[in-house]
Amino acid sequence: NAGVTQTPKFQVLKTGQSMTLQCAQDMNHNSMYWYRQDPGMGLRLIYYSASEGTTDKGEVPNGYNVSRLNKREFSLRLESAAPSQTSVYFCASSPGLAGVNHEQFFGPGTRLTVL
Amino acid sequence: AQSVTQLDSQVPVFEEAPVELRCNYSSSVSVYLFWYVQYPNQGLQLLLKYLSGSTLVKGINGFEAEFNKSQTSFHLRKPSVHISDTAEYFCAVFTGGGNKLTFGTGTQLKVEL
Repeated sequence: NAGVTQTPKFQVLKTGQSMTLQCAQDMNHNSMYWYRQDPGMGLRLIYYSASEGTTDKGEVPNGYNVSRLNKREFSLRLESAAPSQTSVYFCASSPGLAGVNHEQFFGPGTRLTVL
Repeated sequence: AQSVTQLDSQVPVFEEAPVELRCNYSSSVSVYLFWYVQYPNQGLQLLLKYLSGSTLVKGINGFEAEFNKSQTSFHLRKPSVHISDTAEYFCAVFTGGGNKLTFGTGTQLKVEL
């Protein structure tokens, strides 16, 4: 049981380049999330997917797109990277959105630097 | 809208001393409360959670937290810390209406010899 896995672990981009962050979970969870973590700001939700086939915006969605490829995989795409997107990105999953099912399990993170 | 406040950005403490990390939340509806720990260069791990029932919640690694509805607080405590407890601790609140977990800004616990 690998839990939540993320690739890559590190990435350096130039302004304007695009890339996709990959996330997969093997816990048969319905819901998946993408967060960014910046110093002094905690974790902020970018997008989430309540269930396979649905995605919704979180707190800071601008500049990002997501795809819930199947129940296991949830990818985050930066179409035109900007220095303000330099951050640590975490993927998480939970059994569902409601109550006791909302415990989230996190991946190890992707450290992204945009020059 | 819900929010979470962690007033202390850093808490230095000597090994074997007790520690309390403070968390206050604002919400007008029922909440579920969580503490997560993040060790250096790792993802977040669940430390403990309050969903309902007893207001004193015990978690992993000897940590516990008490839910105080009247003071809208969920402070994390450990009676005797170890060097290995050095990490960043995040308080988070979930309310069903928002369908999302709102995190505090984190408290860096540094345990010194």
